[in-house]
Amino acid sequence: QSVVTQPPSASGTPGQRVTISCSGSSSNIGRNSVNWYQHFPGTAPRVLIHSNNQRPSGVPDRFSGSKSGTSASLAISGLQSEDEADYYCVAWDASLNGVVFGGGTKLTVL
Amino acid sequence: EVQLLESEGKLLQPGGSLRLSCAASGFSFSYYAMSWVRQAPGRGLEWVASISGRGETTYYADSVQGRFTISRDNSKNTLYLEMSSLRADDTAVYYCAKAILLQAHDTDFDSWGQGTLVTVSS
Repeated sequence: QSVVTQPPSASGTPGQRVTISCSGSSSNIGRNSVNWYQHFPGTAPRVLIHSNNQRPSGVPDRFSGSKSGTSASLAISGLQSEDEADYYCVAWDASLNGVVFGGGTKLTVL
Repeated sequence: EVQLLESEGKLLQPGGSLRLSCAASGFSFSYYAMSWVRQAPGRGLEWVASISGRGETTYYADSVQGRFTISRDNSKNTLYLEMSSLRADDTAVYYCAKAILLQAHDTDFDSWGQGTLVTVSS
């Protein structure tokens, strides 16, 4: 059971906007930046959002991130079928002295 | 182009040992922290260990502390994960990942290897 909590699943239809939440504590999200990763099973994960809300080059602007207090969220607008993947939020935890991954959210495009 | 290539995984018996390696190319290896992340079958991604660019600082997940050792040889541009006292719940695909900073506590992993499967079973 991860110290950072995500909903196990999310879904939406093509074109919709979907938001995935990530809830932590003062020792992780509350004091450190959050990164979001997209993972297609069997492939290498890729960073979608770093430093809470920054998009690396090559990531479509349909993806956006935000953080407030001890929570963060990933928003995907204009949902596309190729967005169907697993999404993880990640932060450093100062109490555990380690990296914490959220449990992951499986996004289904209906 | 950044490339990270993990060594081949293996099928091992419980209690066994294995050293994974991750050969890096396309960047100044010693300038960046590196990490190992794993995914057990049917589970999510789980952080295993991280090491700073110069190798002086390491961190471990509680689940592997005392059994796994992360290290690096900057002269060979290679990251290692020495695993011992392996258990069935260590069965997973193991990924090496490059951070964007020198410090081991960086969680911004901008490049990942393709992963290698380690199976622990009798």
